[in-house]
Amino acid sequence: GAVVSQHPSRVICKSGTSVKIECRSLDFQATTMFWYRQFPKKSLMLMATSNEGSKATYEQGVEKDKFLINHASLTLSTLTVTSAHPEDSSFYICSAQRVREVGEQYFGPGTRLTVT
Amino acid sequence: AQSVSQHNHHVILSEAASLELGCNYSYGGTVNLFWYVQYPGQHLQLLLKYFSGDPLVKGIKGFEAEFIKSKFSFNLRKPSVQWSDTAEYFCAVGPGGYNKLIFGAGTRLAVHP
Repeated sequence: GAVVSQHPSRVICKSGTSVKIECRSLDFQATTMFWYRQFPKKSLMLMATSNEGSKATYEQGVEKDKFLINHASLTLSTLTVTSAHPEDSSFYICSAQRVREVGEQYFGPGTRLTVT
Repeated sequence: AQSVSQHNHHVILSEAASLELGCNYSYGGTVNLFWYVQYPGQHLQLLLKYFSGDPLVKGIKGFEAEFIKSKFSFNLRKPSVQWSDTAEYFCAVGPGGYNKLIFGAGTRLAVHP
C-alpha cells in the first residue's frame, strides 16, 4: 500500500501559460501532502505543505501567487504553476502523509515541467 | 537554519565492497531521521527510518543506519553492496513536532560488477 501518483509525468508548455499538476494518494487517505522541487543534481527543496481543507503553508522564498496549491480532498492535491517562465522548468515531486501517521512521507514519481 | 549535509556526492564501488554514506544535520531538538533511495527512473522509496529507541536501525535490502546523537549523525551502511544498489541515496531529517522533511543533497552510488 501507500502508492502516490502524479499526473502528468511530463509536460511542455509555452511561457506565460499555466500548468496544473495533480497528486493523488491511491490507496490511503492523506491529511497532509507536500510539494517539492528538484533541481538537476541537487536535492529536493520543499515548496509548500498542503493540508486538506485549509490553505497551504509555503516555504520562505516560494511565491504563493505563482505556485497555487489546492488540497480539496483527502486523496488529491494540485499544484498550478501560473504564468510559467523558463526558469520554472524543473522536476516537481509530491508526497503524502497518511492520516494519523506522523513523519513518514510517501512520494510520487514526479512531473517534469519544461517551459519553452 | 536547519540543514542536512551528505558528505559524499558520488561514490563508486565494486560489488561486495562495504558501503558507508555520511549524513549530518543541524538541529538541536528532537528529530526523526530517514534514508530514502531513488533507483534510476523510479520515485523515492523509504529505506529506513529512526523515530526513537534503538539507535541502530535496520532497513530493507540489508541496509542499516546508526543515529549518534552527540555527533548529529545518521550514517547509512551496508556490509556488501550489489550492482542493484546503484541509485541515489537521500538523507532526510524531520524536526520534531513538524511534518516537513529537510533533505540532504543526495549521494549517487554506482556499483560495478
